[in-house]
Amino acid sequence: QSALTQPASVSGSPGQSITISCTGTSSDVGGYNYVSWYQQHPGKAPKLMIYDVSNRPSGVSNRFSGSKSGNTASLTISGLQAEDEADYYCSSYTSSSTQVFGGGTKLTVL
Amino acid sequence: QITLKESGPTLVKPTQTLTLTCTFSGSSLSTSGVGVGWIRQPPGKALEWLALIYWDDDKRYSPSLKSRLTITKDTSKNQVVLTMTNMDPVDTATYYCAHRAAVAVYFDIWGQGTMVTVSS
Repeated sequence: QSALTQPASVSGSPGQSITISCTGTSSDVGGYNYVSWYQQHPGKAPKLMIYDVSNRPSGVSNRFSGSKSGNTASLTISGLQAEDEADYYCSSYTSSSTQVFGGGTKLTVL
Repeated sequence: QITLKESGPTLVKPTQTLTLTCTFSGSSLSTSGVGVGWIRQPPGKALEWLALIYWDDDKRYSPSLKSRLTITKDTSKNQVVLTMTNMDPVDTATYYCAHRAAVAVYFDIWGQGTMVTVSS
């Protein structure tokens, strides 16, 4: 299984919205509504931000939202804040009953 | 509150076998649907999914590493063990264990990670 494809970096100014894409295949992203997103600050463990494409765990800001179209999932962060600056990883269930992560996207808040 | 903690050697030599233990609390691998997985992250690189074990002892492995990995559980101790054979410097990484809730297809809680360096 190949890693899901994410842009290496995205940036935005405080208050703006950004979207991070995550492209896979019909054997992973496109085949299941089991895409999750994780936020990772430097030196920290990843934190679950979105699960099952568009659901937010308790305690995660509603500024974070997820969606999917075909083989591409997306994470949108609205009202960017300085604390959102981090690496973001998507993950998907696969037809092999395993999971695969994306290559990660570094979000810079300008 | 679910917590997980990884333990094991910080340094292993090439060709050796790595054994990591994940000790967790606040959940149980005797509960239907629960799973515990392992994920690694080389310095400055992306996360890589390694393996997962379910409450019923079903096991899943990364296809690219399947021949080198073994995951086991000790339900009474709330522990999951990952072994990786024939270690190489490219296996240098932070290794995380993470919890998968019943009927979930994601990791809801992660351990802090443990850094493993492979060097002679």
